Amino acid sequence: EDQVTQSPEALRLQEGESSSLNCSYTVSGLRGLFWYRQDPGKGPEFLFTLYSAGEEKEKERLKATLTKKESFLHITAPKPEDSATYLCALNRDDKIIFGKGTRLHILP
Amino acid sequence: DAGVIQSPRHEVTEMGQEVTLRCKPISGHDYLFWYRQTMMRGLELLIYFNNNVPIDDSGMPEDRFSAKMPNASFSTLKIQPSEPRDSAVYFCASSLKGQGGEKLFFGSGTQLSVL
Repeated sequence: EDQVTQSPEALRLQEGESSSLNCSYTVSGLRGLFWYRQDPGKGPEFLFTLYSAGEEKEKERLKATLTKKESFLHITAPKPEDSATYLCALNRDDKIIFGKGTRLHILP
Repeated sequence: DAGVIQSPRHEVTEMGQEVTLRCKPISGHDYLFWYRQTMMRGLELLIYFNNNVPIDDSGMPEDRFSAKMPNASFSTLKIQPSEPRDSAVYFCASSLKGQGGEKLFFGSGTQLSVL
């Protein structure tokens, strides 16, 4: 069965301390892997789409990368405003299936 | 554009009562999704529509749940009768196929508490 597994469940970093979030997936025929950001009390907000192994996307302090089995969301020199839950998802025949997310907390 | 609009924002009800959640998608979008989010299970897809037609409702937990989309600008998710285990945040999302159809735009959600 198609699956999306994210790790770690939660991560606390000091401001400026770079790190990476992991998304492992299994799917027969990847039609896209996505990253979303969710702030408390709000719906998820789209960040990136990746379609093929080796692809990379960047936005400010965030960079998403993709291999055949995993995707990483690298966060460089994070700021407190980057604190949020980051969700990974994949496209399975037009159904967008989400992982449980990584709760990221950046300490000032 | 006002984005995806959901109502109510919060709903508190008693077990056995009927609950109706409402969603107005972004104008022009042809896909609409209903999700449920809990700490234990994360964001679960309940049902999705394409051009107002239900395509996959395999995520609907039980017959107590039903969803309709009578036109392109309105959808409802109904729970009858409600149970305490239905307590969760329910999100509606819409997207446009052909322009990165997987880029979902979410509403702010309805926080449902069933006592």
